[in-house]
Amino acid sequence: GAGVSQTPSNKVTEKGKYVELRCDPISGHTALYWYRQSLGQGPEFLIYFQGTGAADDSGLPNDRFFAVRPEGSVSTLKIQRTERGDSAVYLCASSWDRVADTQYFGPGTRLTVL
Amino acid sequence: EDKVVQSPLSLVVHEGDTVTLNCSYEVTNFRSLLWYKQEKKAPTFLFMLTSSGIEKKSGRLSSILDKKELFSILNITATQTGDSAVYLCAGIDNAGNMLTFGGGTRLMVKP
Repeated sequence: GAGVSQTPSNKVTEKGKYVELRCDPISGHTALYWYRQSLGQGPEFLIYFQGTGAADDSGLPNDRFFAVRPEGSVSTLKIQRTERGDSAVYLCASSWDRVADTQYFGPGTRLTVL
Repeated sequence: EDKVVQSPLSLVVHEGDTVTLNCSYEVTNFRSLLWYKQEKKAPTFLFMLTSSGIEKKSGRLSSILDKKELFSILNITATQTGDSAVYLCAGIDNAGNMLTFGGGTRLMVKP
């Protein structure tokens, strides 16, 4: 079946602009996660959804970052007033449920802030 | 704060060699350790280890967890150029909210 998909695959924007990154999880997966991966490092947790609600947003770096999942499927990560330090690959993962379930990752969106 | 450390940072071997990648972890209320292979962007799942001392195998790859010493190893035998990738390990706690990743080991297999 189809895996996790993310769009766009690449996004180049200017400092101060607003961006939206989209994640389509595997059908039927109730848990959805966003991670951020900087060059040469492992992914870092941003936020986790169980259904429509953000169950844990402790990894969001500041209030410029926000994510939604209004119907419990597709999720959008929104970044306001982008900064050069936001440049990274943003990875989305989904799983059937949170406990003891493997997280399957999408191909990510490479965000470059000029 | 949870922490996962991988070693070595990078490794260059020739086809046919055997490699061992290391992962040590400090995860409060630890539940499982996962290994992923990352070639371009998407980390692809390899193993999930929950019980200590039980080896998991998939073809030429195998992995084992030691919950007393808080580490795991990933072995790759008879390496091939297609094994070249970054290998990530990650710990997850009983709440299951997030994976805490190590920095990865970059493996390059030369022909």
